[in-house]
Amino acid sequence: KQEVTQIPAALSVPEGENLVLNCSFTDSAIYNLQWFRQDPGKGLTSLLLIQSSQREQTSGRLNASLDKSSGRSTLYIAASQPGDSATYLCAFRYSGNTPLVFGKGTRLSVIA
Amino acid sequence: EAGVTQFPSHSVIEKGQTVTLRCDPISGHDNLYWYRRVMGKEIKFLLHFVKESKQDESGMPNNRFLAERTGGTYSTLKVQPAELEDSGVYFCASSGRRNTIYFGEGSWLTVV
Repeated sequence: KQEVTQIPAALSVPEGENLVLNCSFTDSAIYNLQWFRQDPGKGLTSLLLIQSSQREQTSGRLNASLDKSSGRSTLYIAASQPGDSATYLCAFRYSGNTPLVFGKGTRLSVIA
Repeated sequence: EAGVTQFPSHSVIEKGQTVTLRCDPISGHDNLYWYRRVMGKEIKFLLHFVKESKQDESGMPNNRFLAERTGGTYSTLKVQPAELEDSGVYFCASSGRRNTIYFGEGSWLTVV
């Protein structure tokens, strides 16, 4: 059974700091991996999608990497801001329209 | 363009009662998914519709849960009778040909 682990479960950093969120999975036969953001009481917003053939994706201050062989993905946030405070979830798919398999998420607090 | 909309946003019902959650996907999206997050756990898949057909319902917890998608448009998820462990947030998501998935803001269910 595929497991997705996100470490740490919670993280608090001062504004301006660069940070890395980690996601590990036990089965390397994935189709793609996606990072989401969830604000309290809100739905999920897709941040970055990495196909299995890709190593990384970038969007603004966010950079996500994927290493299938080691079963790891990281989300790098540069120059963090209080508005980045949210829960960050990683999820993957085995194929195009199969269900997403989620980790429990990392709750990030950026302190002004 | 409207996103994925869910109704009701919050619901409190007594054990044994019935609740029906509704999801309106993005117009033109054939794929519709239901997910659920119970307290302290990761988001888990419930089922997947392609148009009006159930593609995968392997995540449905038991026969107290019934999902329908009339005419391939909106979907309903009925819980009857509700139990305490059904409390959580129920997310609906949809995707089109490009497989980018969009989530609704969730229906927060509390069974007392």
